[in-house]
Amino acid sequence: DQQVKQNSPSLSVQEGRISILNCDYTNSMFDYFLWYKKYPAEGPTFLISISSIKDKNEDGRFTVFLNKSAKHLSLHIVPSQPGDSAVYFCAARGTGGFKTIFGAGTRLFVKA
Amino acid sequence: DAGITQSPRHKVTETGTPVTLRCHQTENHRYMYWYRQDPGHGLRLIHYSYGVKDTDKGEVSDGYSVSRSKTEDFLLTLESATSSQTSVYFCAISGQGLNYGYTFGSGTRLTVV
Repeated sequence: DQQVKQNSPSLSVQEGRISILNCDYTNSMFDYFLWYKKYPAEGPTFLISISSIKDKNEDGRFTVFLNKSAKHLSLHIVPSQPGDSAVYFCAARGTGGFKTIFGAGTRLFVKA
Repeated sequence: DAGITQSPRHKVTETGTPVTLRCHQTENHRYMYWYRQDPGHGLRLIHYSYGVKDTDKGEVSDGYSVSRSKTEDFLLTLESATSSQTSVYFCAISGQGLNYGYTFGSGTRLTVV
């Protein structure tokens, strides 16, 4: 019973175009959402986050959008670069909690 | 990466043997976590610690135990390794603020044969 779902195992995008990675969650008690990026043979690294009181957070080329009514968030990367090729994990955390639940990940390929 | 190290990086062990993985941090963070990464499942929480000697179970804790006798060390023990525990294990740390992401170690690739 996955509480955080990333339904696209992989995504391929041309360099310079937009990458959109999607994530759905089922637990309405989640109030903080995060994206992590992972390269092979390395640990995941924190990328960007958003609180449930916001609907958008931007950091350079990365923007996360949150639609609470649909229990959906997305990560936009503009413009995409070959170095962005990695696995991206969506994650969520509950109110007052410190445990984070992760999705299965989406592998992004950015073609030069 | 500085701040958190995992050992060993790779290990092959036989079914039925006990195995201990170590996570060491130099950040003096209160919270420490053990996750396993498997294809199609992403990262699943095994156990976590919210202080010295304070630990609790995560989503997939069966067959695993943990100990935290010092702030800097969090040990994960597979009591009797099984092939289903072949995985990549990641340790993570986080500070007091809930609005911070985790810092992960580089992982331990464990193969149970």
